[in-house]
Amino acid sequence: NAGVTQTPKFQVLKTGQSMTLQCAQDMNHNSMYWYRQDPGMGLRLIYYSASEGTTDKGEVPNGYNVSRLNKREFSLRLESAAPSQTSVYFCASSAWGYPDYAGELFFGEGSRLTVL
Amino acid sequence: GQQVMQIPQYQHVQEGEDFTTYCNSSTTLSNIQWYKQRPGGHPVFLIQLVKSGEVKKQKRLTFQFGEAKKNSSLHITATQTTDVGTYFCAGRVRDYKLSFGAGTTVTVRA
Repeated sequence: NAGVTQTPKFQVLKTGQSMTLQCAQDMNHNSMYWYRQDPGMGLRLIYYSASEGTTDKGEVPNGYNVSRLNKREFSLRLESAAPSQTSVYFCASSAWGYPDYAGELFFGEGSRLTVL
Repeated sequence: GQQVMQIPQYQHVQEGEDFTTYCNSSTTLSNIQWYKQRPGGHPVFLIQLVKSGEVKKQKRLTFQFGEAKKNSSLHITATQTTDVGTYFCAGRVRDYKLSFGAGTTVTVRA
């Protein structure tokens, strides 16, 4: 089982360039998430998708867009990269199906992005 | 801002000693989860606590959820080098979103 797969693992961009981070899960999970991790800040939620066809903003959505392509795939796009977006990005998924149930998150291995 | 605060940010422990990391929220949490991230790795789920006052153990790790469901702790006994990493708590306030603490980074002196 691959679990959650993210690509690319590393990327260097110049300010103003665009790119898309890809994420796919093979666990048939309903919910998918994008987090960024910065030193001393923990994991901050950028966007999430509770189920196929829906997306919602998290804590730090500015400068990002997402697409829930199907149940398996959830992509994160930076339209015009800025140095403040230098970070490690994690995609995660979870099973969810009950009103008050939050399943454990399964994380991908991360994508380290540097914006010059 | 972050709704879940975690202390301490760093913990330097002598091998064999015990330590505790704490997680506090200003609002009542539906549940709380704990994750461990090894250096260079990704967060891995450890446990979820749901009930007020709940205590769960995993070998040398003891997790506790406060009576008011606003705080939690992770206590590790007899620390080993394999315990090195960053421990995150994540509290759910509403919906699908988990709010992560900033993490406690643990280093171990052999």
